[in-house]
Amino acid sequence: EVQLVQSGAEVKKPGESLKISCKGSGYSFTSYWIGWVRQMPGKGLEWMGIIYPGDSDTRYSPSFQGQVTISADKSISTAYLQWSSLKASDTAMYYCARRDSAGAPFDYWGQGTLVTVSS
Amino acid sequence: QSVLTQPPSASGTPGQRVTISCSGSSSNIGSNYVYWYQQLPGTAPKLLIYRNNQRPSGVPDRFSGSKSGTSASLAISGLRSEDEADYYCAAWDDSLSGQEVFGGGTKLTVL
Repeated sequence: EVQLVQSGAEVKKPGESLKISCKGSGYSFTSYWIGWVRQMPGKGLEWMGIIYPGDSDTRYSPSFQGQVTISADKSISTAYLQWSSLKASDTAMYYCARRDSAGAPFDYWGQGTLVTVSS
Repeated sequence: QSVLTQPPSASGTPGQRVTISCSGSSSNIGSNYVYWYQQLPGTAPKLLIYRNNQRPSGVPDRFSGSKSGTSASLAISGLRSEDEADYYCAAWDDSLSGQEVFGGGTKLTVL
């Protein structure tokens, strides 16, 4: 069974760093792209970027380029989304999801990680 | 402001047929497949339609998708209370070095 299991909810202060994770199982982790999607409170879905764990090819939405870093450790089938300096506006639910090619749909999704940034 | 345009809300009574529209441009819907996702309250999105009109295994045939030019639509027939959810269209966009773009979402209420 394909599963994407994300790390737990985080509460951080502005300026702090954070790295959240997404562990894949039940499939060949290096053969599928992993993407990250943001959903701010009460708002819609926003595509942040994707990574191909097989060769670490990474693509970002222009809206998120330079704001976050997407990475993966194929030895433990885990993808990451990280911030070096959080802002209150980063408060959101973050989902990871899998796709089999860059232009294909996300067919499996993680349960989401809620990130709250507040002083 | 989302790249793909959806109506913010839609509604219908049980058994009815409802459609949700999604409007884009030549760089996204006009030249790429459209996908639809369903997000039930408090849960992660779920793939509902891929390649414009294909249903993943397990998705009832009450859900159907279509595309024409730079627009697409999702139709739900035989509306049920459990269909009450947010629905998002999405497509790859060939501009801006390529990325997926979402619609703003449509909240479907079953009256």
